[in-house]
Amino acid sequence: QQQVKQSPQSLIVQKGGISIINCAYENTAFDYFPWYQQFPGKGPALLIAIRPDVSEKKEGRFTISFNKSAKQFSLHIMDSQPGDSATYFCAASSRTGNQFYFGTGTSLTVIP
Amino acid sequence: NAGVTQTPKFRILKIGQSMTLQCTQDMNHNYMYWYRQDPGMGLKLIYYSVGAGITDKGEVPNGYNVSRSTTEDFPLRLELAAPSQTSVYFCASSSGSMNTIYFGEGSWLTVV
Repeated sequence: QQQVKQSPQSLIVQKGGISIINCAYENTAFDYFPWYQQFPGKGPALLIAIRPDVSEKKEGRFTISFNKSAKQFSLHIMDSQPGDSATYFCAASSRTGNQFYFGTGTSLTVIP
Repeated sequence: NAGVTQTPKFRILKIGQSMTLQCTQDMNHNYMYWYRQDPGMGLKLIYYSVGAGITDKGEVPNGYNVSRSTTEDFPLRLELAAPSQTSVYFCASSSGSMNTIYFGEGSWLTVV
C-alpha cells in the first residue's frame, strides 16, 4: 500500500511557467514532509521540507503548500527553468517512526 | 565532503550469482537505508538500520540481506541474483526520521 500518493507521473511545462506536483497521505502521524530532486544518474537530494505547524514554506522559486485537514501537500516551482528538469519525489515521515515513505516520483520537463 | 559512498557504480550479474553492494558514510549518522528504484515505481525501501547492530526489513526485503557492524558501513548482500533484482540501488543515511536523508550516487545492477 502506497503511503504517499504522488501525481502527476510526468509533467511538461514551458520555460517561465509554474510547475505543480501534488501528494496525498493517510497516516496522520506523519509530521515531516520533504521534497527531493533527482537529476539523471544521480541520487535524490533534499530540495525543501515542511512541518505541519505551517501551511506554506518558500525557498526561492520553490514553495510547499500544506493542507493538514485534506492531508495533502504540493510543490510549486515558479518561473520554471530548463535546469529544473528532473524527477521530484515527495516523502513523509514521523518522529515516532524510523522510515521515510516516498511518492512514486514526477518527471518534470521544462521546455525552453 | 564524501557523504554517502557506494560501490560498485555498475555491475552485471548472472542469474544465481551473489554479490555485495558496499555503502559507507562519514557523517556519523545513526540511520542508514537501502532503496531500490525502478522506473515509475519510486523508491522502495529494502532494509534500514537505526544504529550499529540493529537492522530491520523495509517494504521489499526478499532476496537481500544486510548487516551493520559499524556506524559507518551498511553493506547490502544479494543472494542468488534474479532478473527481478535488476534495478538502481541507493544507499542513504540520516541523523533521524525528521531530518534530511543523504543519498549515495547509486549502483546500477543488471542480472542476466
